[in-house]
Amino acid sequence: NAGVMQNPRHLVRRRGQEARLRCSPMKGHSHVYWYRQLPEEGLKFMVYLQKENIIDESGMPKERFSAEFPKEGPSILRIQQVVRGDSAAYFCASSPGGSETQYFGPGTRLLVL
Amino acid sequence: GENVEQHPSTLSVQEGDSAVIKCTYSDSASNYFPWYKQELGKRPQLIIDIRSNVGEKKDQRIAVTLNKTAKHFSLHITETQPEDSAVYFCAASSTVFNKFYFGSGTKLNVKP
Repeated sequence: NAGVMQNPRHLVRRRGQEARLRCSPMKGHSHVYWYRQLPEEGLKFMVYLQKENIIDESGMPKERFSAEFPKEGPSILRIQQVVRGDSAAYFCASSPGGSETQYFGPGTRLLVL
Repeated sequence: GENVEQHPSTLSVQEGDSAVIKCTYSDSASNYFPWYKQELGKRPQLIIDIRSNVGEKKDQRIAVTLNKTAKHFSLHITETQPEDSAVYFCAASSTVFNKFYFGSGTKLNVKP
């Protein structure tokens, strides 16, 4: 049973470009969470999704950031017009239920030049 | 919403000693408390968890205790080894708010 998959593992973008981060949950998991982690800091919740629905996006900036989890395919976190402050590690986690154990992917390390 | 506080932020112990990390939470509805270990540059990995219907859980050198009345839970690592060096995060969750609230992390350094 493959774990949570994320790609790309590393992503370099110039200011103003778009970044697309992908997350494939563990088999059988229909709940996906995105977190952001700055160096030497903790995990900050961004958004919680189920298939085709955003359940909680209270941690996601209202501008430039969006997330989706379509019926088919991975969950995608999209950052438009990236700025240097967006540089961070973005982790995705999945769980079989909303309050159950979350399993993390390897993360995508975004660097904005 | 829930607020999880974690102490200490850094902890340095000698190999073989015990390490204790403490977390407090604010919402009495929280009923699930996992602990994650994150090594440098890697993903957080679940090491132990506890639900509110028990007070203590052990797994070899790792144990977690929960005091629901005081709203705090602790991670205990005995006979620490250099490979225990990492950042440890606690979290609280419930079926009411359906998401995890993480503590700010504890950087554990085990000196050989």
